[in-house]
Amino acid sequence: AQTVTQSQPEMSVQEAETVTLSCTYDTSESNYYLFWYKQPPSRQMILVIRQEAYKQQNATENRFSVNFQKAAKSFSLKISDSQLGDTAMYFCAFPHGGATNKLIFGTGTLLAVQP
Amino acid sequence: NAGVMQNPRHLVRRRGQEARLRCSPMKGHSHVYWYRQLPEEGLKFMVYLQKENIIDESGMPKERFSAEFPKEGPSILRIQQVVRGDSAAYFCASSEEQGALGGELFFGEGSRLTVL
Repeated sequence: AQTVTQSQPEMSVQEAETVTLSCTYDTSESNYYLFWYKQPPSRQMILVIRQEAYKQQNATENRFSVNFQKAAKSFSLKISDSQLGDTAMYFCAFPHGGATNKLIFGTGTLLAVQP
Repeated sequence: NAGVMQNPRHLVRRRGQEARLRCSPMKGHSHVYWYRQLPEEGLKFMVYLQKENIIDESGMPKERFSAEFPKEGPSILRIQQVVRGDSAAYFCASSEEQGALGGELFFGEGSRLTVL
């Protein structure tokens, strides 16, 4: 079975500091995408970053980067220079079947950025 | 280019009533997905539709739930005879391409259903 696990229900970070959110997954697929979504209090799901499994280089989007370890099936999100607006639920997601938009979501990590 | 539009944003129903949630995908998108988010949980896939076709409904409860995406108009998620356990946020997402290898998934702001 394909699963996505986020083991940190809540995390807190001081403004301007760096925080890493963990995600592990299980799949037998060899080619797939991985995603991090952000859900702020407004509740809209916003794509933060995505990683292509066949690329060895870790994806980066401004202050957001991933540490993708394919062999370990680990996909962590690093947020640098944390800002108050980063306060949100963060969900790791993985496509069921590897190449679809039928996403399997983790249970989420609630990140609180403290001033 | 407007994003994915969902309405209503909030819907209150009494047990036994029907709930209809609407979703208009982004312009040019022909693939629609419905997800449900129960309190304190992640999103769970319900159904994937293209125009006039249900492609994958493996996440839909067997009874009371149905979805459609007609040739004209928005996609509709219909819940008949609602029960308290149906209270949740229902998210619609759309994409241009079916696969994650091609298309990014764009989410609406969700419809929050409360069953009294």
